[in-house]
Amino acid sequence: AQKITQTQPGMFVQEKEAVTLDCTYDTSDPSYGLFWYKQPSSGEMIFLIYQGSYDQQNATEGRYSLNFQKARKSANLVISASQLGDSAMYFCAMREPHNTDKLIFGTGTRLQVFP
Amino acid sequence: DTEVTQTPKHLVMGMTNKKSLKCEQHMGHRAMYWYKQKAKKPPELMFVYSYEKLSINESVPSRFSPECPNSSLLNLHLHALQPEDSALYLCASSPPDRERQPQHFGDGTRLSIL
Repeated sequence: AQKITQTQPGMFVQEKEAVTLDCTYDTSDPSYGLFWYKQPSSGEMIFLIYQGSYDQQNATEGRYSLNFQKARKSANLVISASQLGDSAMYFCAMREPHNTDKLIFGTGTRLQVFP
Repeated sequence: DTEVTQTPKHLVMGMTNKKSLKCEQHMGHRAMYWYKQKAKKPPELMFVYSYEKLSINESVPSRFSPECPNSSLLNLHLHALQPEDSALYLCASSPPDRERQPQHFGDGTRLSIL
């Protein structure tokens, strides 16, 4: 069965520094998609970045980039130049290979950015 | 502001009440979702509507009744809920080409059952 693992319950980072949030996944299907979402205390789930299993390059979106290591089955999120507004819960998710409507979420990492 | 609008933002109800949660999107998305999220946990999928038809029901108790009146609206009717149903209820939508497209979420409704 497919599974997403986020081993860091909480992370701290100083403003303007970079931080890496870990995500490993387990699937036997060669075709899959990986997503990162941010959830502030307000509740909304905000889409950050997507990586497809066949994508040749690591995904980047502004200050967000994905360190995708397919052989290790890891898709770590890198946030550069952290801002106070980055403080939130971050979820890694994988789309089920044969059901595009189902997302498998990890348990999340709470990031706190301090001045 | 999100492109998926959920109302109300907060709801407190008794176990015998009947209430409804509403979700609306005007992005032309043809798949809509209801999730339940308990504190400090990831969202759990409840229902999926695809082209206004229920395609996934994750064995949700019948006290939760979804409805999709048209391609822009999704309702969740609540009746005889239990205290353990207190949670954040999130609505999401996604476009027809869902393979690479993310689900877009609303702000959620915080539900408290007395």
